[in-house]
Amino acid sequence: SAVISQKPSRDICQRGTSLTIQCQVDSQVTMMFWYRQQPGQSLTLIATANQGSEATYESGFVIDKFPISRPNLTFSTLTVSNMSPEDSSIYLCSGTGAAHNEQFFGPGTRLTVL
Amino acid sequence: AQTVTQSQPEMSVQEAETVTLSCTYDTSESDYYLFWYKQPPSRQMILVIRQEAYKQQNATENRFSVNFQKAAKSFSLKISDSQLGDAAMYFCAYTNNAGGTSYGKLTFGQGTILTVHP
Repeated sequence: SAVISQKPSRDICQRGTSLTIQCQVDSQVTMMFWYRQQPGQSLTLIATANQGSEATYESGFVIDKFPISRPNLTFSTLTVSNMSPEDSSIYLCSGTGAAHNEQFFGPGTRLTVL
Repeated sequence: AQTVTQSQPEMSVQEAETVTLSCTYDTSESDYYLFWYKQPPSRQMILVIRQEAYKQQNATENRFSVNFQKAAKSFSLKISDSQLGDAAMYFCAYTNNAGGTSYGKLTFGQGTILTVHP
């Protein structure tokens, strides 16, 4: 199994600013994803982080708001841009192994926007 | 599009008793995986159990077992001998194993909060 770490674990930010969340995996994973979990809600997929190319975004999420990078097989970043209080959520990254039938999650980043 | 539904926002159980969490899903695919994840207050998503759609035998992991009814598109989780540490939010999830643009992506249910009473 893969161990995934995220930084920061939490942050409090001002409206209009941006925050970059880092996701590091201790071994190579085939696919990496970013999810959002709004307070008291389930997880919603934001995008698939593609190595060396533009991320693939789900409906309702756009690159200008959530730019994502994945320079190699073990690292990805998600930026939450021009934040508003509605962006207050937990952001989780995940990765799948070669079999794609098990997805490992990072511990999440709790973001509060004032 | 695939959907996953958990109709029980909250459940409770006495320590050492058995509880069943319900999940239904909708898909037109025949090759997929179903999962139950546990999310304690620490926020860490922990995989509890997974089921491959092609396997008729229900998956079991120690005190956790599933009742997979493919025709009914039902995937319930049974927790036996409940422990205080089982208290968490439980999510049912689906992923397509047949390729295409949805390959590897997880679709989650709304979650069920499980409380375990001593």
